[in-house]
Amino acid sequence: AQTVTQSQPEMSVQEAETVTLSCTYDTSESDYYLFWYKQPPSRQMILVIRQEAYKQQNATENRFSVNFQKAAKSFSLKISDSQLGDAAMYFCAYRSQWGGADGLTFGKGTHLIIQP
Amino acid sequence: DAGVIQSPRHEVTEMGQEVTLRCKPISGHDYLFWYRQTMMRGLELLIYFNNNVPIDDSGMPEDRFSAKMPNASFSTLKIQPSEPRDSAVYFCASSLWTSNNEQFFGPGTRLTVL
Repeated sequence: AQTVTQSQPEMSVQEAETVTLSCTYDTSESDYYLFWYKQPPSRQMILVIRQEAYKQQNATENRFSVNFQKAAKSFSLKISDSQLGDAAMYFCAYRSQWGGADGLTFGKGTHLIIQP
Repeated sequence: DAGVIQSPRHEVTEMGQEVTLRCKPISGHDYLFWYRQTMMRGLELLIYFNNNVPIDDSGMPEDRFSAKMPNASFSTLKIQPSEPRDSAVYFCASSLWTSNNEQFFGPGTRLTVL
């Protein structure tokens, strides 16, 4: 079974600064998908960014980018120019490539605090 | 599109009572997932359906939990009888057939069992 580990229960960053959230995972599969989800206090789960394991290029979405290291099984999220609206819980998630295992496996989350 | 719809948003019940949570997936989506979120265990997959058929229910904690999907636009998660340790936020999510497609989450149902 796959496992996802987020070793930082809480992170704090000054507004406009850059912060990196860590995620490692364990799998025996070669093809899979990785995701970062944001959960603000409203508890709505919002997809931030997605990475396909077969792609070497790191995914980027505006101020959000990932550092995907497949050999190290590492998938960190970098948030540039942090904004107050970025304050939330962030969850790293894994999804198998193949049907029959389509549910997401989540890490325990990182609580991101933005200091004004 | 209205997104994934869940009801109720909040449910407070007493131990031993039956609880039914409801979900309407996004129209056209053929996968439906039920997750549970607690402080202790985080977000866990309970069960998922493909084309209304349950595919994997290995995450369902015990026989008190059951889920159905009678048609493509409706699913229920039932707990009978409920216990205080079932208190959690329950999310429903839906997605299209390919594995790389995003799962769209509903707003969740916060269940409190007294």
